[in-house]
Amino acid sequence: QKEVEQNSGPLSVPEGAIASLNCTYSDRVSQSFFWYRQYSGKSPELIMSIYSNGDKEDGRFTAQLNKASQYVSLLIRDSQPSDSATYLCAVNSAGGSYIPTFGRGTSLIVHP
Amino acid sequence: DTGVSQNPRHKITKRGQNVTFRCDPISEHNRLYWYRQTLGQGPEFLTYFQNEAQLEKSRLLSDRFSAERPKGSFSTLEIQRTEQGDSAMYLCASSSQGQAFSDTQYFGPGTRLTVL
Repeated sequence: QKEVEQNSGPLSVPEGAIASLNCTYSDRVSQSFFWYRQYSGKSPELIMSIYSNGDKEDGRFTAQLNKASQYVSLLIRDSQPSDSATYLCAVNSAGGSYIPTFGRGTSLIVHP
Repeated sequence: DTGVSQNPRHKITKRGQNVTFRCDPISEHNRLYWYRQTLGQGPEFLTYFQNEAQLEKSRLLSDRFSAERPKGSFSTLEIQRTEQGDSAMYLCASSSQGQAFSDTQYFGPGTRLTVL
């Protein structure tokens, strides 16, 4: 059973701070990792994907991947109230399956 | 709008009725996925098509659920004899055939089903 674990939160940070969201996964052969943002009542929206160990930056967002420790994280710099949402981690494994396993998501609240 | 579209956006039905949802993927995408999401949970995989072929189906999916993708374009998801436990957001996603393991999925707005 492939598992993707996220702290459900809520994670509360002040406006302008760095928000750090973490995700661990159980399948050692996982190859592709995705972060989605989901506003209440809306569908998931892709923020970033990462495939190699290390950091990947896109604007205020940085994804970090450590395959040896089986975790992936998302940093949001200069957090804004509009970043308040649930952040879903999704993991694809090797072996030809294109079906990702999703975590239950971490709720982020950015307060002014 | 060239994104994934889903219809209807909301459906309220009585227990025991049949419902059908439609998904139109991004036009150049050959892969299409159906998920179900309940409050506080991540999307749960239901089934997956590559072109018109249904390649995977979740073991959690009862035989009351059926999906089709005729001609490899739009897809329909039908739930027969709905139960209150079927109440959820039904999400459709699509992706294009790219590098192995790097399949990026794009979600539609979802259909929220309420079974009374």
